[in-house]
Amino acid sequence: NAGVTQTPKFQVLKTGQSMTLQCAQDMNHNSMYWYRQDPGMGLRLIYYSASEGTTDKGEVPNGYNVSRLNKREFSLRLESAAPSQTSVYFCASSTDRGSGAQYFGPGTRLLVL
Amino acid sequence: QQQVKQSPQSLIVQKGGISIINCAYENTAFDYFPWYQQFPGKGPALLIAIRPDVSEKKEGRFTISFNKSAKQFSLHIMDSQPGDSATYFCAASMWNAGNMLTFGGGTRLMVKP
Repeated sequence: NAGVTQTPKFQVLKTGQSMTLQCAQDMNHNSMYWYRQDPGMGLRLIYYSASEGTTDKGEVPNGYNVSRLNKREFSLRLESAAPSQTSVYFCASSTDRGSGAQYFGPGTRLLVL
Repeated sequence: QQQVKQSPQSLIVQKGGISIINCAYENTAFDYFPWYQQFPGKGPALLIAIRPDVSEKKEGRFTISFNKSAKQFSLHIMDSQPGDSATYFCAASMWNAGNMLTFGGGTRLMVKP
């Protein structure tokens, strides 16, 4: 039982390049989330998916797209990376609304030059 | 607009002392208040959480105090240990809004031996 896994762990991009961050969970959770973490700003929600086939914008969605491929996988795509997207990205999942707890992956460090 | 404000940004405590981290929120619709602990290079992990129908919740050395009228809640770490050195985040969410967490800015705690 790996929990929430993310790939890659670290990535360097040049401005304008694209990439996809992958996330998978094996806890049979319905909800999945993508956050970015910047110093002093906590974690900010980019997109979330309440169930397979549905996605919604969070607090900071501009410049990102997501795909809920199936119940296990939720990917985050940067179509044209910008230096402002340099951050640590975390994927999380949660069970139904009853528990409230979210389980986080180990993160992806992204540097955009 | 930061809906959850956390203080202090950093905290140094001697081993055996009490660590206190405070959070204030604005949205009275929030109904779930978790605290997350994050070690360097790792994703956040749920530490303890409270709902607004109780004023205090204790789990081992960790206690959440909740003041609904003041829209404030705090984390108390009793008998702080060097292993507690980490970054702590408070958060808040709404039960009927997809359990999306709004995080505070984080507190970096260092417990000196």
